[in-house]
Parts: sequence; structure tokens; C-alpha cells
Amino acid sequence: GAGVSQSPSNKVTEKGKDVELRCDPISGHTALYWYRQSLGQGLEFLIYFQGNSAPDKSGLPSDRFSAERTGGSVSTLTIQRTQQEDSAVYLCASSPGDRADNTQYFGPGTRLTVL
Amino acid sequence: SQQGEEDPQALSIQEGENATMNCSYKTSINNLQWYRQNSGRGLVHLILIRSNEREKHSGRLRVTLDTSKKSSSLLITASRAADTASYFCATDAYGGADGLTFGKGTHLIIQP
Repeated sequence: GAGVSQSPSNKVTEKGKDVELRCDPISGHTALYWYRQSLGQGLEFLIYFQGNSAPDKSGLPSDRFSAERTGGSVSTLTIQRTQQEDSAVYLCASSPGDRADNTQYFGPGTRLTVL
Repeated sequence: SQQGEEDPQALSIQEGENATMNCSYKTSINNLQWYRQNSGRGLVHLILIRSNEREKHSGRLRVTLDTSKKSSSLLITASRAADTASYFCATDAYGGADGLTFGKGTHLIIQP
């Protein structure tokens, strides 16, 4: 079946502008995660959604970052007033939601460049 | 500090040789996973080992877990050029946050 999809694949924006990144998880997966990966680095956890529960926002780096998940499916990550340090690849992953096996299935990522 | 640190940071070997990567972590875990990443984009899940398991195999992959040392190793046997990628370990902390915690990865280069 279809995997996790993300759009856009690349986004170039000017400092101070807002951006929206989209993630379509695998159908039926109740858990959805956003990560950020800076050049040559590991993944930094940003936010986690499980079904209709309130999200775990503990990884969001500042109040300029927010995310929502509509109808328990598609998610958007919004970055307001972008800064150059926001430049990174933003990865979305989904998981069936079984706490005993939280294997994550990743999308191809959105490469964000803030000029 | 970083949970899940891989060692070495980079590894270059000849095709056909075995490649071993190590991962250390700091907290108690439910499970530990290994992922592969090509060209800095999406990660692909390779294998999951639970905290009560010591060794697991999948094809040419062998993963070990030593919870007393808080360490894991990933062995790729009979390496191929297509195995060139970055490899990350990720831990699911027991009682911790719900996201996986990734290390910075080992960049593996297989020389043809």
C-alpha cells in the first residue's frame, strides 16, 4: 500500500515568512511523529500525535512551531516567522500505534531552506 | 545528553567484508531499533530488538543488545555497494517520551 507522503519535497523561503509542511500518514496508523534533521545530524523529535489525544509537544523548539492533525489523519507542521536556524529536513513518520512495537514508517521529508 | 550514540561516526570497508556499528544509550528502554537512511531523506526501518532479547537476525543483519552495558551492535555481513548509507539506532525509552530518540548515525561506505 501507499507509504507516508510529505509535501512539498523542497521549500525555500525568506526569513520571517511562515511555512506549512504537510504529512499524509499510512492509512490506519494512529500514531504520527514529526522530526527535524539538521545537516549531518541525527533526528530531533518535535511532536507526537496518538489518535485523538492531545499531542505531546515536548520537543517543539520554540512557540513559533505548531502542529495539528485533522480527523486523526493528515498533519500539518507550521513554522511562523522562520529563522535561518530552522533550515533542515523535516521528517514525518507514522506507526500503527501499538506501544509494544512502535516501528516507525518515514516519509521522504521536506527540505526547508530559510534564506 | 544524546541518547543512542553510534560508533564509529564513519566507516569505509571493501565490498564483501563485514561491517559492525555500535550504539550506546543512557536510560532503560522498551526496545531498540536500527534504521538506514540514503541520501539524507526518509529512513527505512531495519530491525527492532526488545529489551528482553539478546540477539536478532534478519537476512544479512545481526543485532545484539546488552542491557547491562546499555549497548547494541549492528553487523552487516557480506557487504554490498548498495549498503552504503547512514545507519541510526533509535531507542524507545521506558516510561519516557513517545518519540524515538535517535543517535547521530554511522555513515557507512562500501568500496566496490
